[in-house]
Amino acid sequence: QVQLVQSGSELKKPGASVKVSCKASGYTFSNYAINWVRQAPGQGPEWMGWISTDTGNPTYAQGFTGRFVFSLDTSVSTAYLQISSLKAEDTAVYYCARAGGSRWPYWGQGTLVTVSS
Amino acid sequence: DIQMTQSPSSLSASVGDRVTITCRASQSISGHLNWYQQKPGKAPKVLIYDVSTLESGVPSRFSGSGSGTDFTLTIGSLQPEDFATYYCQQTYNTNTWSFGQGTKVEIK
Repeated sequence: QVQLVQSGSELKKPGASVKVSCKASGYTFSNYAINWVRQAPGQGPEWMGWISTDTGNPTYAQGFTGRFVFSLDTSVSTAYLQISSLKAEDTAVYYCARAGGSRWPYWGQGTLVTVSS
Repeated sequence: DIQMTQSPSSLSASVGDRVTITCRASQSISGHLNWYQQKPGKAPKVLIYDVSTLESGVPSRFSGSGSGTDFTLTIGSLQPEDFATYYCQQTYNTNTWSFGQGTKVEIK
C-alpha cells in the first residue's frame, strides 16, 4: 500500500534551517509528484508547491520562494523540504502529499516544526 | 490565484442533524472541487472528489453538489465520529491548488 512517512518533530531557533523528509513506499516513486503543504496552528492547509519526481523540477507557490527548497533523493524514494532563515511564523505542521487521480488520498503523517528562541 | 471561501467557519450541531457546509471559489472551477475531513493531529482525509464522487470507504451520509463557483458538502445525519474540521480544495489550476479556510463541526 502507498505510504508517505515523514521525519520527526523539530525545534529550531530563529535564523536556523530545517530539513524535513518524506519517504515514499508502495508505488513507483518517479510516477507521481510530491506536494508540500503547510498548516499553521488553527489554520487551513496551504499548498506550498510541488516537485516532479521524474525530472526533479520544483514549482513553488506564491509566498514560498527564496527560503524554501524542495529536493529529492530518488535512490531512497525520498523528497525533502528545506527551510532556511527560520522565523517564528514558520511554526507549523508540514505535510507531504501525493495525488491519486484528481484528489490527494495519500498524505504523510505531518512534521511539526517549532521555531522559538 | 483562486481563493476558496467556506461558510460557516464553525457550527454546532447534534447527533442526527443534517449539516450543510458551503464553499465558494473566486472564479469558476468547473467540477474540480474536493472535500476533506481533518481530525486533530491527523492529516486531511479525502471524503468527496470531483464535486460529488464519494471516496471509497466513506459513508453514504456524506454527499457533495455544486458547479462553477458554488459548492456544498452535506452530512445527512451527523454521527459522533463526524465532529471534525472540513476543507474544500480546488484542483482546477493545476499549478496553484488551494484550500478553503475550514469549517469546524462541534458538538452542541
